[in-house]
Amino acid sequence: GAVVSQHPSRVICKSGTSVKIECRSLDFQATTMFWYRQFPKQSLMLMATSNEGSKATYEQGVEKDKFLINHASLTLSTLTVTSAHPEDSSFYICSAPHDEKLFFGSGTQLSVL
Amino acid sequence: EDKVVQSPLSLVVHEGDTVTLNCSYEVTNFRSLLWYKQEKKAPTFLFMLTSSGIEKKSGRLSSILDKKELFSILNITATQTGDSAVYLCAVEDSGGYQKVTFGIGTKLQVIP
Repeated sequence: GAVVSQHPSRVICKSGTSVKIECRSLDFQATTMFWYRQFPKQSLMLMATSNEGSKATYEQGVEKDKFLINHASLTLSTLTVTSAHPEDSSFYICSAPHDEKLFFGSGTQLSVL
Repeated sequence: EDKVVQSPLSLVVHEGDTVTLNCSYEVTNFRSLLWYKQEKKAPTFLFMLTSSGIEKKSGRLSSILDKKELFSILNITATQTGDSAVYLCAVEDSGGYQKVTFGIGTKLQVIP
C-alpha cells in the first residue's frame, strides 16, 4: 500500500519555541494532505487541509497564524506550531488520500514544557 | 454536525475469542464508513463500506454496514495477540476526504 512518512515522531520543546512537522507521501503524489490532532482519550480531530500550491483550509477554532501549513510540493506538507505552549501538547498526525483511501503518517507526539 | 460513537470503549478478551465492535453514526450526506486499526499511533486502513448489507471480509476480520439503522460492526474471529490495538471507525460525507469524522475508538486487548 501507499506510504506516508511523518517526522519527527516525538518532540519535546520549551514554551515559546516553534516546531516543524513534516509529512511526505513516499510513493504517490498528494495534492491534498490533512492534519489531525488527537488529545488523550479523544478522537482524531481534523485541524486543516493542506493544498499543494494554495492556501491551507483551517477548521473552525484552529488558529491559522499559530499552525502554519506549507504544501510546497506534491509529496511534502509541513505543519509548524509557532510559539508553542503547553496546551499545544498533543499527538499530531497527517494523512493523504490515494486510491480512494486515506493513508496516515505515524504521528508526532509534541510535548511543550 | 457529523458524529461517530463507538462501543465498547475498551475490551479485554482471550486469544481465540470472537469480538464484535460497534459503530453508530450521524452524518449529513453519507459517502462511506471506514474502519482503521491503530497500533503504535499510525492508523492502518481496514475497510471502506458504502452499501448496506454487504459484508466485507479480510482474513479473520469482517465488517458490515446498516445504512438504515446507521451503524456498522467489525467482527474479529479467533483473535490473536497481534489484534491488540485501537480500532477506529470514521464516516466520510460527500464533502470529500476533508469531511471525515472519527470515533474515539475501541481499545482491544487480546491476552494469551
